[in-house]
Amino acid sequence: DQQVKQNSPSLSVQEGRISILNCDYTNSMFDYFLWYKKYPAEGPTFLISISSIKDKNEDGRFTVFLNKSAKHLSLHIVPSQPGDSAVYFCAASDPSGGSNYKLTFGKGTLLTVNP
Amino acid sequence: ETGVTQSPTHLIKTRGQQVTLRCSSQSGHNTVSWYQQALGQGPQFIFQYYREEENGRGNFPPRFSGLQFPNYSSELNVNALELDDSALYLCASSPQGTNTEAFFGQGTRLTVV
Repeated sequence: DQQVKQNSPSLSVQEGRISILNCDYTNSMFDYFLWYKKYPAEGPTFLISISSIKDKNEDGRFTVFLNKSAKHLSLHIVPSQPGDSAVYFCAASDPSGGSNYKLTFGKGTLLTVNP
Repeated sequence: ETGVTQSPTHLIKTRGQQVTLRCSSQSGHNTVSWYQQALGQGPQFIFQYYREEENGRGNFPPRFSGLQFPNYSSELNVNALELDDSALYLCASSPQGTNTEAFFGQGTRLTVV
């Protein structure tokens, strides 16, 4: 039972264009959402997050949108750069079971930005 | 400010053996979580340690156990290794009580043969 789903295993875009990565979730208890980027042989690196009380958060070239009613979030990267090529993981924070939250991850989307 | 460091980076074990993986948390972070990332999958939560006690556990059998030390570093122990335990094991640290991002180490690649 996968609670966080990234239905696109891969995405290819041209440099300078917009990259849109999508994520769906099923658990309505999730209250905080994060995007991580992962290069081969490295651990995931935090990119941007959004609380469930907001519908948009922006940080430079990265914007995350949250649609709670649809249980859907997306990450927009504008403009895309070749260095953005990596696997992107969507993660959701579950408030149950402790004072600090465990993360539930999707399977990831491989983004390739072509020069 | 030092980041999250894990050791070793790679190791190979035989089925049935035991393994210990180590993690030093980021300076100032008192909570450590462990994740298993199998090939082609996202990281899966194993358990979390806070103040040297287990503070939440995912769907992993008891042969996966851990420790946290007073300096907040942590160990993951896996007994009776199985072939399916082959994966990247990630450690993440975060400050307690904040709904914020967790910082990950580079991981330990475990291969069970």
